[in-house]
Amino acid sequence: AQRVTQPEKLLSVFKGAPVELKCNYSYSGSPELFWYVQYSRQRLQLLLRHISRESIKGFTADLNKGETSFHLKKPFAQEEDSAMYYCALIGEYGNKLVFGAGTILRVKS
Amino acid sequence: NAGVTQTPKFRVLKTGQSMTLLCAQDMNHEYMYWYRQDPGMGLRLIHYSVGEGTTAKGEVPDGYNVSRLKKQNFLLGLESAAPSQTSVYFCASSYRYGNSYNSPLHFGNGTRLTVT
Repeated sequence: AQRVTQPEKLLSVFKGAPVELKCNYSYSGSPELFWYVQYSRQRLQLLLRHISRESIKGFTADLNKGETSFHLKKPFAQEEDSAMYYCALIGEYGNKLVFGAGTILRVKS
Repeated sequence: NAGVTQTPKFRVLKTGQSMTLLCAQDMNHEYMYWYRQDPGMGLRLIHYSVGEGTTAKGEVPDGYNVSRLKKQNFLLGLESAAPSQTSVYFCASSYRYGNSYNSPLHFGNGTRLTVT
């Protein structure tokens, strides 16, 4: 079975501080992992995917198969990063995206 | 392109009433999904469809039915609403699964449903 765990419901940091949103997954095969973001009054949208190995809006995430983690990181938080962040996984059949419970990121000035 | 459009945006039902939520996409996507979003539980997949005329159960299908008669539309039905179905419902769509990776999901704006 596929499972995604985001242990923090709320993460509050000051502007300019580093950010790490944790995501752990449970899956026996080779997963594909994503981070989705929902800004206030906006649609849920893709932030980044592990297969692309890219940095979006200063965020990066590395898939660590040994620790089964896909933590989202940003070295210097900005107020506009405040949003709900969801980690998600596609597993064996490639047609069901399973989400974690989400983490609210609040960046304080 | 409107993307993914959900109707209605808000609805209040009484226990036992029925309703249908409509999702329409204009991107010619093969896959469509219905999720519910609840505090502390994230997004949970209710049902999904990999193509016109086909549907499948997700994590929390009980109490819901779906239909995909046309490729662009995915309907979610509640036959007899219960307070436990109070939630925000999101529809999403994506391109067909590829050889090595999937296209990202495109989401609608959500439908806020309250069952009293």
